[in-house]
Amino acid sequence: EAQVTQNPRYLITVTGKKLTVTCSQNMNHEYMSWYRQDPGLGLRQIYYSMNVEVTDKGDVPEGYKVSRKEKRNFPLILESPSPNQTSLYFCASSPRQVLPNEQYFGPGTRLTVT
Amino acid sequence: QKEVEQDPGPLSVPEGAIVSLNCTYSNSAFQYFMWYRQYSRKGPELLMYTYSSGNKEDGRFTAQVDKSSKYISLFIRDSQPSDSATYLCAMRVWPGNTPLVFGKGTRLSVIA
Repeated sequence: EAQVTQNPRYLITVTGKKLTVTCSQNMNHEYMSWYRQDPGLGLRQIYYSMNVEVTDKGDVPEGYKVSRKEKRNFPLILESPSPNQTSLYFCASSPRQVLPNEQYFGPGTRLTVT
Repeated sequence: QKEVEQDPGPLSVPEGAIVSLNCTYSNSAFQYFMWYRQYSRKGPELLMYTYSSGNKEDGRFTAQVDKSSKYISLFIRDSQPSDSATYLCAMRVWPGNTPLVFGKGTRLSVIA
């Protein structure tokens, strides 16, 4: 089954404790992206990757890191999480930037930083 | 001014009603318009997309784009309780590598 998987689905952590949220897709998509979704603010892009070893900042990259060493994986790293990073995070992937460029979203990771 | 504006609702309608969901935008370079549906506790899924202006119909759903007014709409005919979800509009410049810009989403409830 074609899908985007994220782990963990739920995470409660404390300020400053480094964490990684994994994202993996099995559709051989070149484009991958991370979003955060907050009430009243909608979906905002954190980072995206056009291909292996190619990453770029989205709208809200501060406090996050990503890497793209393999085509299928695109982990999101929070080196020193803070409470304002409490949010619902989505990973998404899509084929090369051709229409319709449908983005397939993962199930989401709900992160709480205390 | 935000690039994409969308009324968050909530919008509550009786089963069988025609629903109209809308977004306005400010960037005239947007060419590619999408509607995503997001059920509670799930990731968004693409519902429909249109390129440039015009209408597109898919079953009970119709997407409209009016570029002169910078206004897009999604119509749902004969709405069902299973249509209860948050609907997000999204758009982007095309061609190019700029990311999608999402609206904040409209929460819809269809009451049986």
